[in-house]
Amino acid sequence: GAVVSQHPSRVICKSGTSVKIECRSLDFQATTMFWYRQFPKQSLMLMATSNEGSKATYEQGVEKDKFLINHASLTLSTLTVTSAHPEDSSFYICSAKQGLAGGVAKNIQYFGAGTRLSVL
Amino acid sequence: KNQVEQSPQSLIILEGKNCTLQCNYTVSPFSNLRWYKQDTGRGPVSLTIMTFSENTKSNGRYTATLDADTKQSSLHITASQLSDSASYICVVSVQGAQKLVFGQGTRLTINP
Repeated sequence: GAVVSQHPSRVICKSGTSVKIECRSLDFQATTMFWYRQFPKQSLMLMATSNEGSKATYEQGVEKDKFLINHASLTLSTLTVTSAHPEDSSFYICSAKQGLAGGVAKNIQYFGAGTRLSVL
Repeated sequence: KNQVEQSPQSLIILEGKNCTLQCNYTVSPFSNLRWYKQDTGRGPVSLTIMTFSENTKSNGRYTATLDADTKQSSLHITASQLSDSASYICVVSVQGAQKLVFGQGTRLTINP
Protein backbone atom coordinates (compact mmCIF):
# COMPACT_ATOMS: atom_id res chain seq x y z
CA GLY A 1 0.00 0.00 0.00
CA ALA A 2 0.90 3.66 -0.23
CA VAL A 3 3.24 5.10 2.39
CA VAL A 4 2.85 8.37 4.24
CA SER A 5 5.78 9.56 6.27
CA GLN A 6 5.27 11.97 9.15
CA HIS A 7 8.11 13.73 10.91
CA PRO A 8 8.99 14.18 13.69
CA SER A 9 7.37 11.34 15.59
CA ARG A 10 7.77 13.17 18.86
CA VAL A 11 8.58 16.74 19.78
CA ILE A 12 8.92 18.49 23.11
CA CYS A 13 9.05 22.26 23.09
CA LYS A 14 8.79 25.23 25.38
CA SER A 15 5.66 27.29 25.60
CA GLY A 16 5.67 30.12 23.08
CA THR A 17 7.77 28.40 20.45
CA SER A 18 6.56 27.21 17.06
CA VAL A 19 6.69 23.63 15.89
CA LYS A 20 6.57 22.35 12.33
CA ILE A 21 5.33 18.88 11.44
CA GLU A 22 5.91 17.41 8.00
CA CYS A 23 3.76 14.95 6.12
CA ARG A 24 5.08 13.33 2.97
CA SER A 25 3.52 10.88 0.55
CA LEU A 26 6.46 8.71 -0.44
CA ASP A 27 5.24 6.76 -3.43
CA PHE A 28 2.22 8.62 -4.73
CA GLN A 29 1.05 12.11 -5.45
CA ALA A 30 -1.40 13.40 -2.88
CA THR A 31 -3.85 15.91 -4.24
CA THR A 32 -5.33 16.35 -0.80
CA MET A 33 -3.87 16.03 2.65
CA PHE A 34 -5.68 16.07 5.96
CA TRP A 35 -4.55 17.02 9.43
CA TYR A 36 -6.11 15.42 12.49
CA ARG A 37 -5.75 15.84 16.20
CA GLN A 38 -6.33 13.03 18.65
CA PHE A 39 -6.80 13.30 22.39
CA PRO A 40 -6.21 10.30 24.66
CA LYS A 41 -8.81 7.57 24.29
CA GLN A 42 -10.67 9.56 21.65
CA SER A 43 -10.97 9.19 17.93
CA LEU A 44 -9.37 11.40 15.34
CA MET A 45 -10.73 14.92 14.94
CA LEU A 46 -10.28 16.57 11.57
CA MET A 47 -8.56 19.92 11.87
CA ALA A 48 -8.15 20.95 8.25
CA THR A 49 -8.09 19.80 4.67
CA SER A 50 -5.40 21.04 2.36
CA ASN A 51 -5.29 20.84 -1.40
CA GLU A 52 -2.02 21.30 -3.21
CA GLY A 53 -1.48 24.86 -4.28
CA SER A 54 -4.47 26.36 -2.48
CA LYS A 55 -5.40 27.51 0.99
CA ALA A 56 -6.39 24.95 3.55
CA THR A 57 -9.98 24.57 4.68
CA TYR A 58 -10.24 24.58 8.44
CA GLU A 59 -12.90 22.89 10.52
CA GLN A 60 -15.07 24.93 12.81
CA GLY A 61 -13.26 25.91 15.97
CA VAL A 62 -9.76 25.42 14.57
CA GLU A 63 -7.74 28.63 14.50
CA LYS A 64 -6.09 29.03 11.12
CA ASP A 65 -3.56 31.53 12.48
CA LYS A 66 -2.62 29.08 15.19
CA PHE A 67 -2.28 26.03 12.99
CA LEU A 68 -0.63 27.07 9.74
CA ILE A 69 -0.88 24.58 6.92
CA ASN A 70 1.17 24.64 3.77
CA HIS A 71 0.71 22.18 0.92
CA ALA A 72 3.33 23.39 -1.51
CA SER A 73 3.77 20.22 -3.51
CA LEU A 74 1.91 17.03 -4.35
CA THR A 75 4.02 15.10 -1.87
CA LEU A 76 4.45 17.44 1.06
CA SER A 77 2.22 19.23 3.52
CA THR A 78 3.34 20.92 6.71
CA LEU A 79 1.49 21.88 9.86
CA THR A 80 3.04 24.61 11.99
CA VAL A 81 1.75 25.06 15.50
CA THR A 82 2.55 28.69 16.22
CA SER A 83 3.26 30.00 19.71
CA ALA A 84 2.51 26.63 21.19
CA HIS A 85 0.96 26.37 24.62
CA PRO A 86 0.50 23.37 26.92
CA GLU A 87 -3.12 22.97 25.77
CA ASP A 88 -1.78 22.32 22.26
CA SER A 89 -0.13 19.16 23.55
CA SER A 90 -1.70 16.34 21.62
CA PHE A 91 -1.20 13.64 19.02
CA TYR A 92 -1.30 15.05 15.50
CA ILE A 93 -1.86 12.76 12.52
CA CYS A 94 -1.78 13.54 8.84
CA SER A 95 -3.29 11.60 6.00
CA ALA A 96 -2.89 11.84 2.28
CA LYS A 97 -5.39 11.04 -0.42
CA GLN A 98 -4.11 9.68 -3.66
CA GLY A 99 -5.21 11.39 -6.82
CA LEU A 100 -5.58 9.59 -10.09
CA ALA A 101 -3.58 6.38 -10.33
CA GLY A 102 -3.46 4.70 -13.70
CA GLY A 103 -6.37 6.86 -14.77
CA VAL A 104 -8.52 5.65 -11.88
CA ALA A 105 -9.67 7.98 -9.12
CA LYS A 106 -8.48 6.79 -5.74
CA ASN A 107 -10.47 7.98 -2.76
CA ILE A 108 -8.41 6.32 -0.07
CA GLN A 109 -6.68 8.15 2.74
CA TYR A 110 -3.36 6.82 3.95
CA PHE A 111 -2.31 7.86 7.43
CA GLY A 112 1.04 8.90 8.79
CA ALA A 113 2.39 7.45 12.02
CA GLY A 114 1.53 10.56 13.99
CA THR A 115 3.45 13.20 15.95
CA ARG A 116 3.28 13.44 19.71
CA LEU A 117 3.61 17.12 20.67
CA SER A 118 4.35 17.99 24.27
CA VAL A 119 4.47 21.67 25.19
CA LEU A 120 6.11 22.46 28.50
CA LYS B 1 -26.36 13.69 11.01
CA ASN B 2 -23.62 11.37 9.80
CA GLN B 3 -22.48 9.21 12.69
CA VAL B 4 -20.56 6.03 13.33
CA GLU B 5 -21.10 4.14 16.58
CA GLN B 6 -18.85 1.33 17.71
CA SER B 7 -19.31 -1.28 20.37
CA PRO B 8 -18.03 -2.35 22.73
CA GLN B 9 -15.93 0.60 23.88
CA SER B 10 -13.36 -1.79 25.25
CA LEU B 11 -12.83 -5.52 25.26
CA ILE B 12 -10.43 -7.84 27.03
CA ILE B 13 -9.95 -11.41 25.85
CA LEU B 14 -7.40 -14.16 26.30
CA GLU B 15 -4.80 -14.90 23.68
CA GLY B 16 -6.01 -17.42 21.14
CA LYS B 17 -9.69 -16.52 21.52
CA ASN B 18 -11.86 -14.99 18.82
CA CYS B 19 -13.76 -11.74 19.08
CA THR B 20 -16.14 -9.58 17.08
CA LEU B 21 -16.31 -5.81 17.07
CA GLN B 22 -19.41 -3.96 15.92
CA CYS B 23 -19.98 -0.79 13.93
CA ASN B 24 -23.29 0.89 13.18
CA TYR B 25 -23.47 3.90 10.93
CA THR B 26 -25.94 6.50 9.80
CA VAL B 27 -24.02 7.92 6.88
CA SER B 28 -25.62 8.96 3.64
CA PRO B 29 -24.87 8.76 0.84
CA PHE B 30 -22.58 5.87 1.68
CA SER B 31 -19.37 5.36 -0.25
CA ASN B 32 -17.30 2.81 1.62
CA LEU B 33 -16.46 1.52 5.07
CA ARG B 34 -12.99 0.87 6.40
CA TRP B 35 -11.63 -0.76 9.48
CA TYR B 36 -8.36 0.57 10.87
CA LYS B 37 -6.06 -0.74 13.57
CA GLN B 38 -4.33 1.88 15.66
CA ASP B 39 -1.55 0.92 18.02
CA THR B 40 -0.95 3.27 20.94
CA GLY B 41 1.02 6.29 19.82
CA ARG B 42 0.84 5.34 16.15
CA GLY B 43 -1.25 6.31 13.17
CA PRO B 44 -4.15 4.15 11.94
CA VAL B 45 -3.34 1.30 9.60
CA SER B 46 -5.96 0.08 7.16
CA LEU B 47 -7.23 -3.48 7.62
CA THR B 48 -10.11 -3.67 5.17
CA ILE B 49 -12.17 -1.45 2.92
CA MET B 50 -15.60 -2.39 1.62
CA THR B 51 -17.93 -0.75 -0.83
CA PHE B 52 -21.70 -0.97 -0.95
CA SER B 53 -21.75 -4.19 -2.95
CA GLU B 54 -19.29 -6.11 -0.79
CA ASN B 55 -20.55 -8.26 2.09
CA THR B 56 -17.32 -9.61 3.44
CA LYS B 57 -13.62 -9.05 3.14
CA SER B 58 -10.73 -10.82 4.80
CA ASN B 59 -7.20 -9.79 5.63
CA GLY B 60 -5.41 -12.65 7.32
CA ARG B 61 -7.06 -13.27 10.69
CA TYR B 62 -9.29 -10.23 10.24
CA THR B 63 -12.66 -10.62 8.53
CA ALA B 64 -14.98 -7.68 8.04
CA THR B 65 -18.64 -7.93 7.11
CA LEU B 66 -20.97 -5.27 5.83
CA ASP B 67 -24.76 -5.21 5.77
CA ALA B 68 -25.68 -2.12 3.80
CA ASP B 69 -29.38 -2.63 4.47
CA THR B 70 -29.08 -2.48 8.24
CA LYS B 71 -26.01 -0.20 8.04
CA GLN B 72 -23.95 -2.47 10.21
CA SER B 73 -20.45 -3.81 9.96
CA SER B 74 -18.45 -6.17 12.08
CA LEU B 75 -14.78 -7.02 12.39
CA HIS B 76 -14.03 -10.57 13.44
CA ILE B 77 -10.59 -11.48 14.74
CA THR B 78 -9.72 -15.14 14.94
CA ALA B 79 -7.04 -16.78 17.05
CA SER B 80 -6.10 -13.50 18.69
CA GLN B 81 -2.47 -12.66 19.36
CA LEU B 82 -0.89 -10.32 21.87
CA SER B 83 0.00 -7.99 19.00
CA ASP B 84 -3.70 -7.56 18.26
CA SER B 85 -3.95 -5.32 21.32
CA ALA B 86 -4.87 -1.95 19.84
CA SER B 87 -7.76 0.36 19.06
CA TYR B 88 -9.91 -0.62 16.12
CA ILE B 89 -11.62 2.21 14.35
CA CYS B 90 -14.55 1.99 11.96
CA VAL B 91 -14.51 4.78 9.38
CA VAL B 92 -17.19 5.54 6.82
CA SER B 93 -16.70 7.61 3.71
CA VAL B 94 -19.46 9.85 2.40
CA GLN B 95 -20.02 9.74 -1.33
CA GLY B 96 -18.89 12.94 -2.99
CA ALA B 97 -17.26 14.28 0.17
CA GLN B 98 -13.64 14.29 1.18
CA LYS B 99 -14.22 13.97 4.90
CA LEU B 100 -14.36 10.67 6.69
CA VAL B 101 -16.73 9.88 9.56
CA PHE B 102 -14.88 8.18 12.39
CA GLY B 103 -16.20 5.90 15.08
CA GLN B 104 -14.88 6.29 18.60
CA GLY B 105 -13.02 3.02 18.35
CA THR B 106 -12.93 -0.18 20.35
CA ARG B 107 -9.97 -0.66 22.64
CA LEU B 108 -9.00 -4.35 22.43
CA THR B 109 -6.65 -5.91 24.96
CA ILE B 110 -5.32 -9.41 24.51
CA ASN B 111 -4.08 -11.01 27.71
CA PRO B 112 -1.70 -13.97 27.79
